[in-house]
Amino acid sequence: DSGVTQTPKHLITATGQRVTLRCSPRSGDLSVYWYQQSLDQGLQFLIQYYNGEERAKGNILERFSAQQFPDLHSELNLSSLELGDSALYFCASSVQGGLNEQFFGPGTRLTVL
Amino acid sequence: GQNIDQPTEMTATEGAIVQINCTYQTSGFNGLFWYQQHAGEAPTFLSYNVLDGLEEKGRFSSFLSRSKGYSYLLLKELQMKDSASYLCAVSPTGANNLFFGTGTRLTVIP
Repeated sequence: DSGVTQTPKHLITATGQRVTLRCSPRSGDLSVYWYQQSLDQGLQFLIQYYNGEERAKGNILERFSAQQFPDLHSELNLSSLELGDSALYFCASSVQGGLNEQFFGPGTRLTVL
Repeated sequence: GQNIDQPTEMTATEGAIVQINCTYQTSGFNGLFWYQQHAGEAPTFLSYNVLDGLEEKGRFSSFLSRSKGYSYLLLKELQMKDSASYLCAVSPTGANNLFFGTGTRLTVIP
């Protein structure tokens, strides 16, 4: 158990819908990262927040957005969902924003029908 | 941009040693990480290298050559539970965001 929690564990929805994925980092970790893992693809970095501020952006679609709240939990919002958005979405956290180990949550499996 | 190459699959025998290679091209380099991921589970941290050389951690070692854009993960005394995907990831900036390769699926056979 990494100490990072994600909810829900599974999510099934339809194309065109909007969903929110939630992540609570390890106690004391200020930085949160979101990754997408599709079948046969590696982990794709989406976005990073550090202490409430956006720190780095990767291959995140405009239909996706994220935020980190004052209590440091983070939410990833996915809208106008398409079949290709079906994937495992992982959240990770680390103590600081600099170079250090990231601890991954168990992931949310999103299925878009 | 970033480009990371790893072999897609490898098979090794229980008790043996296996080396998983990773080559990378990146616009900036802050460090290289190795993660283990069992199917359907979260990646777990194995090691990271910032400077050239070998980092040893029990049965796992990782090597880095920054000038060659090359790293490897060495697994010794293989156990059946080592069957998993091994992900090489580069941190190109001080923000610590990671760019992952597609991973090497290792199968350990008796």
